[in-house]
Amino acid sequence: QQQVKQSPQSLIVQKGGISIINCAYENTAFDYFPWYQQFPGKGPALLIAIRPDVSEKKEGRFTISFNKSAKQFSLHIMDSQPGDSATYFCAARRYNFNKFYFGSGTKLNVKP
Amino acid sequence: DSGVTQTPKHLITATGQRVTLRCSPRSGDLSVYWYQQSLDQGLQFLIQYYNGEERAKGNILERFSAQQFPDLHSELNLSSLELGDSALYFCASSTGLAGANGELFFGEGSRLTVL
Repeated sequence: QQQVKQSPQSLIVQKGGISIINCAYENTAFDYFPWYQQFPGKGPALLIAIRPDVSEKKEGRFTISFNKSAKQFSLHIMDSQPGDSATYFCAARRYNFNKFYFGSGTKLNVKP
Repeated sequence: DSGVTQTPKHLITATGQRVTLRCSPRSGDLSVYWYQQSLDQGLQFLIQYYNGEERAKGNILERFSAQQFPDLHSELNLSSLELGDSALYFCASSTGLAGANGELFFGEGSRLTVL
């Protein structure tokens, strides 16, 4: 079964708009929630991450909102730019089992 | 550049064949992970090695095997290949057992096409 569910599958946003990608998980043993960004032809790269004892983390235009009780977390990209066009993956780590579980990815297209 | 090197970048082969994908982790990283990414699919965890030992296993088929060598490079062997094995195979590395800061460093992938 899919450990981390991600939506939407694809997203089109106008330049300057806000992009929002959502993820949900079931396993309360997850202790770390990163977001990865993948450009075509490249491997995923860490964008921003959060631990479950924090409800929000912001780095520049990128913000993670974390809702522990709802077992949901989301990525917000403010003032979206065409250079943000990429595939975004949420993930969750289960430390004691040495595993990272990835969502199915969201393909973001920011139109100029 | 993540520092993780994967070879080959592209590979085309026929059904029933066997291929080996190679990964060199970042300098100093002891953990190596293998992931499969099929077309428009997420990253499916296959297997993890830490300092030469298998530490975690995901949805890896019996036709697939991997190992990590003393110099810490890793190889993923895919045998009796089927059309459905066509995918991007990523290697990632981390400093600790499950990522000291939770970060995985990914290579650029090996694209396997099975005809």
